[in-house]
Amino acid sequence: QKEVEQNSGPLSVPEGAIASLNCTYSDRGSQSFFWYRQYSGKSPELIMFIYSNGDKEDGRFTAQLNKASQYVSLLIRDSQPSDSATYLCAVKSSSGNTPLVFGKGTRLSVIA
Amino acid sequence: EPEVTQTPSHQVTQMGQEVILRCVPISNHLYFYWYRQILGQKVEFLVSFYNNEISEKSEIFDDQFSVERPDGSNFTLKIRSTKLEDSAMYFCASSEVGMNTEAFFGQGTRLTVV
Repeated sequence: QKEVEQNSGPLSVPEGAIASLNCTYSDRGSQSFFWYRQYSGKSPELIMFIYSNGDKEDGRFTAQLNKASQYVSLLIRDSQPSDSATYLCAVKSSSGNTPLVFGKGTRLSVIA
Repeated sequence: EPEVTQTPSHQVTQMGQEVILRCVPISNHLYFYWYRQILGQKVEFLVSFYNNEISEKSEIFDDQFSVERPDGSNFTLKIRSTKLEDSAMYFCASSEVGMNTEAFFGQGTRLTVV
């Protein structure tokens, strides 16, 4: 059974701070890693993806991947109240069109 | 910006009735997916579809479920005899074919079985 684990939160951070969201996965053969943001009652919205070990930056977001530790994280710099949402970590077992396996998500609350 | 569109946004149906959920994937995408999310739970994969046939399906996707691409633009999920536990958000997603592709989700259909 392929599992993706996330701390459900809520994670509360003050506005302007760095939010750090973590995810571990059980399938050592996983190849592709995604972060989605989901507002309450809405659909998942892709924020970032990462395929290689190391860091990948996109604006205020940085994804970090450590395949040896089966760990992926998302850093949000200069957090804004509009970042308050549930962040879903999703993993694919290959780099092709295999389905996503989602974690339950971490609820982030950015306090103004 | 191209997007995946789903109809209806909300469907209420009586237990035992058939429902069809509709999706229009992004036009140049050839891989289609259905996921569902029961309230308060994680997003779960149901089925993927490519080249007019099912590519993969999960254990959730039993004989009560079917998918179809009736024309060049629509992709549908049919639930033959709905149960109370089918109540969930159903998301359609699509992606390009190939390596390192990302799936883009529609806004979802909230299915309520009463």
